[in-house]
Amino acid sequence: QLQLQESGPGLVNPSETLSLTCTVSGDSISSSIYYWGWIRQSPGKGLEWIGTVSHSGTTYYYPSLKSRVTISVDTSKNQFSLKLTSVTAADTAVYYCARGRLQFDWFDPWGQGTLVSVSS
Amino acid sequence: QSVLTQPPSVSAAPGQKVTISCSGSTSNIGNHYVSWYQQLPGTAPKLLIYDNNNRPSGIPDRFSGSKSGTSATLGITGLQTGDEADYYCGTWDSSLRAGVFGGGTELTVL
Repeated sequence: QLQLQESGPGLVNPSETLSLTCTVSGDSISSSIYYWGWIRQSPGKGLEWIGTVSHSGTTYYYPSLKSRVTISVDTSKNQFSLKLTSVTAADTAVYYCARGRLQFDWFDPWGQGTLVSVSS
Repeated sequence: QSVLTQPPSVSAAPGQKVTISCSGSTSNIGNHYVSWYQQLPGTAPKLLIYDNNNRPSGIPDRFSGSKSGTSATLGITGLQTGDEADYYCGTWDSSLRAGVFGGGTELTVL
């Protein structure tokens, strides 16, 4: 059964870098035909697509975040990661990782999500 | 302001039917597959409908999806109190070269 689990600091200082990892179990990222994505949800708000990465490292990012985002894959650890630089309070959100088909036909399953707060 | 437009809320009585619309454009819904997600309170979103009108295994046939032109619709029949959740549509936008979600619709089963 495929499962995804986010991990990383729950608190990040303003202007610093948010770093999260998604550990995949039940499927191999390196042999998968799927893409792997990050989605976030600010408190009380809707879903926001951040970006996706293929097993070969091809990436797609939302335009307004593109200058600050890096999504990468580590096939040796069966993980993929999210880095978001120069964070502000507006980046406070629950961050979800998920498996997807192509860049975004659908996402399934999703990780349980992890809350990241940006505050000093 | 979301790229895809959904009504903020809908409501209906138990046992009734409800539809949730998702409106976009030719750069997104008009030329790409639509997926729908259910987010129960305090939980991660769950895939309900993929490729416009297909249900993953385990999703009851009370849930259905359709697409026409630049709009998509999620239908739920035989409403249950357990269906109270936020529902989101999503698709690829070829102009943005990014994924997009609707703003979400809160379903209340009265």
